[in-house]
Amino acid sequence: AQKITQTQPGMFVQEKEAVTLDCTYDTSDPSYGLFWYKQPSSGEMIFLIYQGSYDQQNATEGRYSLNFQKARKSANLVISASQLGDSAMYFCAMREVYNNNDMRFGAGTRLTVKP
Amino acid sequence: DAGITQSPRYKITETGRQVTLMCHQTWSHSYMFWYRQDLGHGLRLIYYSAAADITDKGEVPDGYVVSRSKTENFPLTLESATRSQTSVYFCASSQIATNEKLFFGSGTQLSVL
Repeated sequence: AQKITQTQPGMFVQEKEAVTLDCTYDTSDPSYGLFWYKQPSSGEMIFLIYQGSYDQQNATEGRYSLNFQKARKSANLVISASQLGDSAMYFCAMREVYNNNDMRFGAGTRLTVKP
Repeated sequence: DAGITQSPRYKITETGRQVTLMCHQTWSHSYMFWYRQDLGHGLRLIYYSAAADITDKGEVPDGYVVSRSKTENFPLTLESATRSQTSVYFCASSQIATNEKLFFGSGTQLSVL
């Protein structure tokens, strides 16, 4: 069964606007971590932000924030004030204790920022 | 330099040949992972290892073999390469915990003709 679902294969956003990338997950483990990675066209995987299952507040890292809705099992990434350099693939991932701490990824969303 | 390195960066081989992709990390991380990236599938876990001499199957292990005799090395072998194994392969490492991020290598682009 798919553990991580990213339903938006591609997204467009105007420069300087905010954009939300969706991520839902499936787990019965009470202890897990949620991650977002960025993959620019150069191919490297860049860690953006982390949210723990027990964290009460939404994680933020600069222009990135994670909208964590535990009951809905969603962990959407919000990018504020989009920049041209934000154009990339974005992957949501989850790490669970039940799965021996391995990490599973979603299929990704390709974000294109328009000037 | 410290970090995680993969080799080769690019590899072209023929069906039926054995291919080994190398991964080396200098952080002494407990966990190491192999993923393959294909369009429309994101990153799929092939194998992972929680420590030296401990390995586990991921989502798509068929056709692959791994070993981990030393903490810092985690080679991935395709025993008899098939065209469906044409992909970009990423190695990653991390500390042990659900809140630890993965550090990725630069990837190996493998083409099986």
